[in-house]
Amino acid sequence: QSALTQPASVSGSPGQSIIISCTGSSGDVGSYNLVSWYQQQPGKVPKFLIYEVNKRPSGVSNRFSGSKSGSTASLTISGLQADDEADYYCCSYAGGSTFVFGTGTTVNVL
Amino acid sequence: EVQLVDSGGGLVKPGRSLRLSCTGSGFTFGDYAMSWFRQAPGKGLEWVGFIRSKTYGGPIEYAASVKGRFTISRDDSKSIAYLEMNSLKTEDTAVYYCARGISWNYSFDSWGQGTLVTVSS
Repeated sequence: QSALTQPASVSGSPGQSIIISCTGSSGDVGSYNLVSWYQQQPGKVPKFLIYEVNKRPSGVSNRFSGSKSGSTASLTISGLQADDEADYYCCSYAGGSTFVFGTGTTVNVL
Repeated sequence: EVQLVDSGGGLVKPGRSLRLSCTGSGFTFGDYAMSWFRQAPGKGLEWVGFIRSKTYGGPIEYAASVKGRFTISRDDSKSIAYLEMNSLKTEDTAVYYCARGISWNYSFDSWGQGTLVTVSS
């Protein structure tokens, strides 16, 4: 159960778009369209952002979108805002009711 | 409103045991899977274990790092999920979160506030 690989940090200016990658393997991201994403603002509880690769729960801004190609999933944040500064984690189903998280990415708004 | 409250954390010596609780409200607890996660100080999220609803059934699964030491259970009559932690190690020090799981898409839509477990002599 190796952690999924995410960049340690991504930066962008307000209004820009950024992409966070999440690279796994054929045993997790590559085999299942069951990738979810979570936002964790400093000192807060993780917040559910995306499920099944690219679906948004009710109440989540459409500035957040997800995609997947092969064993790499991606989260795009468009129209970057100061409030988007947070850590972002991907999570993939890995079969047999097991899960693996990404290493986490800190988003900095310049 | 869906709410999960984590409790039971504290300071414990290596080798000892501790039981965490996750109390749900605002939804039919028994209809949902529950999962436990942890976050060591300054580190990322780690999945700990997963228990399905009785409707879906199936085995309870654990991360390799805790398998054989940690046990997840649930009491749907009380809307509580438990994480029994035995043979605790210093590396188990973390904030532990429970979360409600969506069985058909394997995501976690509501999270408890977390409870800190510190393993130290």
